[in-house]
Amino acid sequence: GNSVTQMEGPVTLSEEAFLTINCTYTATGYPSLFWYVQYPGEGLQLLLKATKADDKGSNKGFEATYRKETTSFHLEKGSVQVSDSAVYFCALTVLGTAGNKLTFGGGTRVLVKP
Amino acid sequence: DVKVTQSSRYLVKRTGEKVFLECVQDMDHENMFWYRQDPGLGLRLIYFSYDVKMKEKGDIPEGYSVSREKKERFSLILESASTNQTSMYLCATLGYGRPENTQYFGPGTRLTVL
Repeated sequence: GNSVTQMEGPVTLSEEAFLTINCTYTATGYPSLFWYVQYPGEGLQLLLKATKADDKGSNKGFEATYRKETTSFHLEKGSVQVSDSAVYFCALTVLGTAGNKLTFGGGTRVLVKP
Repeated sequence: DVKVTQSSRYLVKRTGEKVFLECVQDMDHENMFWYRQDPGLGLRLIYFSYDVKMKEKGDIPEGYSVSREKKERFSLILESASTNQTSMYLCATLGYGRPENTQYFGPGTRLTVL
């Protein structure tokens, strides 16, 4: 089956620090990979995605590269802000499976302090 | 913009009560999903629907049922609520043939079962 493993949090950083959240996956078939973000009190929003090997997704200063050889999709940001405090979820879907279901990792809470 | 709304943000029910959670979307998306979100476990799929009156079990369907009588509305039903169903419930939608293959989420309903 499909599974996603991401580092446990919470991750506490100071403003302008470098952020990395590790994500690895197993999948039957060729997955598309996603990072979703959940700000306090809100639902999930798509942050970025990549659909094939070596693709780099980017948005709001965040980046992640689809690494097929290491089955990874690590999220990075060079200089975090207090407004980046949120829970981040790595997820995958394998196109063609019923309903195009998403499989999520456990989520990583990030707290950025001023 | 896709809009996914959920009937309540917060709900408190007693053990044994029948509970209805409603989700409505305005983008004519075929696929709709119900997840529950628990700390450290990420999001787990309860049920999904790929068309009116069609439904499929997800990973944790026990204790839940669903109804999709109209395309825009997908209801999650707890026939007899139990304390282990205290959780955050998230609804999501996905349209067929969209190259971005992105699920759109509602704001969530935090259910407490006493």
